[in-house]
Amino acid sequence: SQKIEQNSEALNIQEGKTATLTCNYTNYSPAYLQWYRQDPGRGPVFLLLIRENEKEKRKERLKVTFDTTLKQSLFHITASQPADSATYLCALTSNDYKLSFGAGTTVTVRA
Amino acid sequence: DTAVSQTPKYLVTQMGNDKSIKCEQNLGHDTMYWYKQDSKKFLKIMFSYNNKELIINETVPNRFSPKSPDKAHLNLHINSLELGDSAVYFCASGGQTYEQYFGPGTRLTVT
Repeated sequence: SQKIEQNSEALNIQEGKTATLTCNYTNYSPAYLQWYRQDPGRGPVFLLLIRENEKEKRKERLKVTFDTTLKQSLFHITASQPADSATYLCALTSNDYKLSFGAGTTVTVRA
Repeated sequence: DTAVSQTPKYLVTQMGNDKSIKCEQNLGHDTMYWYKQDSKKFLKIMFSYNNKELIINETVPNRFSPKSPDKAHLNLHINSLELGDSAVYFCASGGQTYEQYFGPGTRLTVT
């Protein structure tokens, strides 16, 4: 069966450092991989989408990589700030608009 | 202007009751979704409508029935509520580009 694993449930880092989150998947051939941010009591917010034929995507301090051979995506937050503290969700989709989510990694950035 | 809105935000009800959650989007998207997020924070798709037509129907008890009166609205009706239905329900919408926009969620508590 399809499986999406975000390796860490929680990640604590010092302000200014780079946070790196991992998303691995099995029994899946996604066309797109997405990252969302979810704050407590709120809905997920779309951050970045990367296609299967793209290796890397950037948006401001965020960077996503996608390795379809390793079946893995890495999500980086550079120069992290306390305001980056949230749960980050990895989501995969084929061409059918159906998103399958990982369980999320909760990032806490210490000032 | 809120892009995806849901009502109510909180819903407390007793077992056996029937309740509805409403969702509206003003993004002009053709596709709308219902997700369930359980106590372990796992976000799982339930239904999807594209232009008022049901396109995704996951393994959900038939006590749950979505209804889309037009492409800007997708409501969720739940019959004979059970304790296990307690969760946060998110509505989302999406266009051609695969990212999805989520509502604020409805926290349903069944007592």
